[in-house]
Amino acid sequence: EVQLVESGGGLVQPGGSLRLSCAASGFSFSDYYMDWVRQAPAKGLEWVGRIRNKANSYTTEYSASVKGIFTISRDDSKNSLYLQMNSLKSEDTAVYFCARGHFGMDVWGQGTTVIDSS
Amino acid sequence: DIQMTQSPSTLSASVGDRVTITCRASQSISGKLAWYQQKPGKAPKSLIYMASALQSGVPTRFSGSGSGTEFTLTISSLQPDDFATYYCQHDYGYPLTFGPGTKVDFK
Repeated sequence: EVQLVESGGGLVQPGGSLRLSCAASGFSFSDYYMDWVRQAPAKGLEWVGRIRNKANSYTTEYSASVKGIFTISRDDSKNSLYLQMNSLKSEDTAVYFCARGHFGMDVWGQGTTVIDSS
Repeated sequence: DIQMTQSPSTLSASVGDRVTITCRASQSISGKLAWYQQKPGKAPKSLIYMASALQSGVPTRFSGSGSGTEFTLTISSLQPDDFATYYCQHDYGYPLTFGPGTKVDFK
């Protein structure tokens, strides 16, 4: 079964850091682009960023709101995707989803929640 | 950046109704548009990619059309499981952006 499972969310103080993980299974993870998407409470979906596959040099793209603050990485040997979030602000409070960037975003995880503790 | 708009923002309908949601892009995105369904507290589910291609396993009552700047998602006969929020998303360069969503609720 193709599956993505996020982890690492929690309470964070403004200015703090957090690293989210996304574990992939059931498909050849290394072949695919991967995305992070977030959803603030009672709001719509916001694309955070994308990391391409090895064939495309693992290059990354980010939304303007997180560029230079968040970093997307991956470890194909562990079938894992990561989102390093620094200098967190209250507006970063959201559910964070990882998604497979194929034919749109065809597979999604269940999400992990990041909450501002202030 | 390409801006995406959707209309209506809310749509009240009954089981069996034909439902159409419109998505517009601020510039031409060719056919690089996807549609997603999201239910409260759940992850989005991919329905359609490249404007009109149905994802595997998605019921055929869902269809997509359009090109350039105007796209539609149609549900031919609304089923109880279809009451949800629907989002469009362009895949034509970066940043990727989603529309604001259309909530389909009970009339």
